Amino acid sequence: SQTIHQWPATLVQPVGSPLSLECTVEGTSNPNLYWYRQAAGRGLQLLFYSVGIGQISSEVPQNLSASRPQDRQFILSSKKLLLSDSGFYLCAWSPDRDTEAFFGQGTRLTVV
Amino acid sequence: AQSVSQHNHHVILSEAASLELGCNYSYGGTVNLFWYVQYPGQHLQLLLKYFSGDPLVKGIKGFEAEFIKSKFSFNLRKPSVQWSDTAEYFCAVNAAPGGKLIFGQGTELSVKP
Repeated sequence: SQTIHQWPATLVQPVGSPLSLECTVEGTSNPNLYWYRQAAGRGLQLLFYSVGIGQISSEVPQNLSASRPQDRQFILSSKKLLLSDSGFYLCAWSPDRDTEAFFGQGTRLTVV
Repeated sequence: AQSVSQHNHHVILSEAASLELGCNYSYGGTVNLFWYVQYPGQHLQLLLKYFSGDPLVKGIKGFEAEFIKSKFSFNLRKPSVQWSDTAEYFCAVNAAPGGKLIFGQGTELSVKP
C-alpha cells in the first residue's frame, strides 16, 4: 500500500535561517505531489505542485521554493525564513491530477 | 481561475441535530469534487468524492453530499451528528482534466454531547 512520510513534525527556526522540509511517498510511481499551507480560517493554500521530476508549478509568489529531485521526493525550501512563513505545511500525493489527494501528517513551522 | 467558498466558518450543533455545510465553487467546466475531514490532531482524510454519475454521493460515517451543477454547489449533509463528528471539514475542487486541487476555507464543526 502507498504511504506518505513528511518530516519533521515540528520545527522552530530563527528568522533568516534556511528551511528544508522533506516529503516522500512509498508504494507508487510517478505520483503528483503537492505542498499546501494551512492557516486557521483560511483553509489549505496550494503552494506548489509537481507532475514529474523537475516539473514544479508555483501557485503563489512567496519566500519559498520547491524541488523534486527524485520521483517520490518533494522538498520545500527557503533560503531565509520570514516570520510570516510560520504555519502548518502539508504534503500530499495523488495517482494523477484527476483523483483525490492523500495527505501527510504535516509540519508545524514556527519562525522566531 | 477556480475557487472554492465555504460559507460557514464555525458551526455548533447538539448531538442528533442535522447537518448541512455549504460549498460553492467557481469554474464553468467539468469538475471533480471532494469533502475532506480533519479530526483534532489527525491528518486530512477523504470523506467522499464526486467525479460523475449520480449527483448524490455517499461517504464514510453516514455523510453524503449533493452536486447541483446549476448552483455550482456541493453541500455536505448528515441527518444526525454525533459528538465524534467534531472536526474541521474542507470542500475541494479539481477542474478536470488535469486541474489543481483547490480547497475552501474550511468549516469547524463542534458537536455538543
